[in-house]
Amino acid sequence: NAGVMQNPRHLVRRRGQEARLRCSPMKGHSHVYWYRQLPEEGLKFMVYLQKENIIDESGMPKERFSAEFPKEGPSILRIQQVVRGDSAAYFCASSPDRSGGTFEKLFFGSGTQLSVL
Amino acid sequence: AQKVTQAQTEISVVEKEDVTLDCVYETRDTTYYLFWYKQPPSGELVFLIRRNSFDEQNEISGRYSWNFQKSTSSFNFTITASQVVDSAVYFCALSKVSGTYKYIFGTGTRLKVLA
Repeated sequence: NAGVMQNPRHLVRRRGQEARLRCSPMKGHSHVYWYRQLPEEGLKFMVYLQKENIIDESGMPKERFSAEFPKEGPSILRIQQVVRGDSAAYFCASSPDRSGGTFEKLFFGSGTQLSVL
Repeated sequence: AQKVTQAQTEISVVEKEDVTLDCVYETRDTTYYLFWYKQPPSGELVFLIRRNSFDEQNEISGRYSWNFQKSTSSFNFTITASQVVDSAVYFCALSKVSGTYKYIFGTGTRLKVLA
């Protein structure tokens, strides 16, 4: 059973370009969480999605950032017009439906390192 | 509001020493989960433990042990006889039991184990 898959592993963008980060949750998981880790800092919650719905986006910057989790395909974190301050590691995590049993933990991907030149 | 504090930014120990990483949390929930994760230099997050708030029994796993004290809102992590491979950043995290399972992470403690 493959784990949470994130790609690309490393992404380099120039200021003003768009960054698209992909996350495929574990098989059978319908909940996705995105976290951002700035250099030398902890992980900060960004957004929580279920299939086709944004449940909690309290950690998302108000501008330039958006996330989706379509019915088919991976979850996408999109950053428009990137700036140097967006350089960070972006982690995705997934969890199963509550009907799937007791919550054990979030399953994390290996992260995407975004570098903005 | 929920909050996790890891006051130790960086700790250096010599191999074979014991080391304790502190974690203090704040929450108004009566039930919650606490976690520890390890982030080695490669960057991935490695799950170490989950603790339910209603289970105050301490846990030991090999060289790792966890001390959960609900009265002081602490969930400390001890590595016995540290090894160079333990060098990493360690994160403590808190989540609700119901609703969303989003984690609130501490800022992490960087552990350096010197040979």
